[in-house]
Amino acid sequence: GAVVSQHPSWVICKSGTSVKIECRSLDFQATTMFWYRQFPKQSLMLMATSNEGSKATYEQGVEKDKFLINHASLTLSTLTVTSAHPEDSSFYICSAPRTGEPYNEQFFGPGTRLTVL
Amino acid sequence: AQSVTQPDIHITVSEGASLELRCNYSYGATPYLFWYVQSPGQGLQLLLKYFSGDTLVQGIKGFEAEFKRSQSSFNLRKPSVHWSDAAEYFCAVGLEYGNKLVFGAGTILRVKS
Repeated sequence: GAVVSQHPSWVICKSGTSVKIECRSLDFQATTMFWYRQFPKQSLMLMATSNEGSKATYEQGVEKDKFLINHASLTLSTLTVTSAHPEDSSFYICSAPRTGEPYNEQFFGPGTRLTVL
Repeated sequence: AQSVTQPDIHITVSEGASLELRCNYSYGATPYLFWYVQSPGQGLQLLLKYFSGDTLVQGIKGFEAEFKRSQSSFNLRKPSVHWSDAAEYFCAVGLEYGNKLVFGAGTILRVKS
């Protein structure tokens, strides 16, 4: 199967700082990637769709100025949590679809645990 | 709006016993349906999927699921659970040709020896 990596796997930062999380598709190209957020004991919630070469599309209620997404190449999307606060502490997961019929199968990264002190 | 309900937050079964994890969905059309498993430190892994056709689908690791349109359900089953099956399981509905996934809250499976 296809492989998606995330870096870092965990990060601890101080309140007010910014944190960048990388999502890479290692063996296939992805013009679209997805960012999810998962709170403890809760499900994955789609935050945004990252589009290579164009602006990301954010789900309702997600602050685009807080969660900056850049899809600079066909294998890399980055999520930057700006001016992080403790309430941003969460597990962030990315996925990348590999084009297929009749649907595009999603491949998930292992996730990044963010703790904001 | 589309939604997925997994009514069981935790399930504990004995090793070797059978397993059924419940999933109900709300979606207007025939959905793409998925079951994923999440182990600590690993990404979500696809167990099986349903689009159309035979309503009983087979997946990896000995899992199967049955789509029941009349009940809007897609329950996951395994006849004999192994200790390595302990993980969190997510049911999901796929929208936009699978590009967008709506997940249930997940069920944590514990296996006792």
